Amino acid sequence: AQTVTQSQPEMSVQEAETVTLSCTYDTSESDYYLFWYKQPPSRQMILVIRQEAYKQQNATENRFSVNFQKAAKSFSLKISDSQLGDAAMYFCAYGPTGTASKLTFGTGTRLQVTL
Amino acid sequence: KAGVTQTPRYLIKTRGQQVTLSCSPISGHRSVSWYQQTPGQGLQFLFEYFSETQRNKGNFPGRFSGRQFSNSRSEMNVSTLELGDSALYLCASSLGQGYRNIQYFGAGTRLSVL
Repeated sequence: AQTVTQSQPEMSVQEAETVTLSCTYDTSESDYYLFWYKQPPSRQMILVIRQEAYKQQNATENRFSVNFQKAAKSFSLKISDSQLGDAAMYFCAYGPTGTASKLTFGTGTRLQVTL
Repeated sequence: KAGVTQTPRYLIKTRGQQVTLSCSPISGHRSVSWYQQTPGQGLQFLFEYFSETQRNKGNFPGRFSGRQFSNSRSEMNVSTLELGDSALYLCASSLGQGYRNIQYFGAGTRLSVL
């Protein structure tokens, strides 16, 4: 079974600074997807970024980028130029290949953004 | 385009009752997945429906069931409610099955069991 581990329950960053959230996972598969989802107080999960395991290039979406280390099974999220609106719970998730849409989530990291 | 709509937003039930939650996916999406979110267990996959058929199921007791209608709307039912069923239930929809299809989440239904 796949597992996803987020070892940082809480992180804090000052506005305009950069923060990195950590995620490790375990799987015996060679092809899969990895995701970072954001859950603000409104509770709605919002996809931040997605990485395909067979792609060497790290995904980037505006201020959000990942550092994907397949051999180390590590998938960290870097948020640059942090904004107050970035404050939320961030979940790392693993998605299988094939026809299954099931996601396995980590326990989440609560990000605080201070002035 | 409207997002994933879950109703109701909040629900209070007592032990032993049953409850039905509803999820309307994004127009054109055919796959609906359900997740349970609790402080203790985190986010856990319940089941996935595609073309009115349950395609995948998580490790939950038979009290948790669901169905999907021809218009892709889905309902989730929990019978004989227990205190531990108190949770945020999230629904996600995607165009089709599989990892290539991004899952879009609704705002959830907060169920409290007293």
